[in-house]
Amino acid sequence: QKEVEQNSGPLSVPEGAIASLNCTYSDRGSQSFFWYRQYSGKSPELIMSIYSNGDKEDGRFTAQLNKASQYVSLLIRDSQPSDSATYLCAVRGGNAGNMLTFGGGTRLMVKP
Amino acid sequence: NAGVTQTPKFRILKIGQSMTLQCTQDMNHNYMYWYRQDPGMGLKLIYYSVGAGITDKGEVPNGYNVSRSTTEDFPLRLELAAPSQTSVYFCASSYWGSTDTQYFGPGTRLTVL
Repeated sequence: QKEVEQNSGPLSVPEGAIASLNCTYSDRGSQSFFWYRQYSGKSPELIMSIYSNGDKEDGRFTAQLNKASQYVSLLIRDSQPSDSATYLCAVRGGNAGNMLTFGGGTRLMVKP
Repeated sequence: NAGVTQTPKFRILKIGQSMTLQCTQDMNHNYMYWYRQDPGMGLKLIYYSVGAGITDKGEVPNGYNVSRSTTEDFPLRLELAAPSQTSVYFCASSYWGSTDTQYFGPGTRLTVL
């Protein structure tokens, strides 16, 4: 069974700090990796995608992928209270149908 | 461009009742999906469709049925509702392709008592 694992948290960081969110996956054939942000009571929204090993930066967000270690992370620099949400890691395998497998999410709390 | 819309937003069912959750997208996406999210958990795929007339089971299909007669619509049918089906249901859509991403509707919060 394909699995995506995340620490459920909560991860608490002070405003302005770097938040580091981690995710591991079991399917070595996985092709694409995504980070979704979900505010309480709302639907998930895509914030980052990464497809090859290394770092990908977008504003305050950096996604890091290491396929050999089956590990993907999300760094949020200069964390703001508005970043407080649950962050879902999603992995797309090498199968047909564009199926995503989601982790359970990490709850991030940024304290002013 | 409304994106992905879902109705109803909230619903309370009694055990054994049936209902249909509606989902419509106006982005001409060929792929559509139904997920459920239990409290404090991630998303579990119920059913998906790769185009009109084609559907397939996901990870947790028992107790649900789907149909896809048009590109735009992908309703989810609950037959004989059970308390275990209490959850938030999200519909999503995407284009086919390894770099494509999924766009989610606002969700339906269902309680079965």
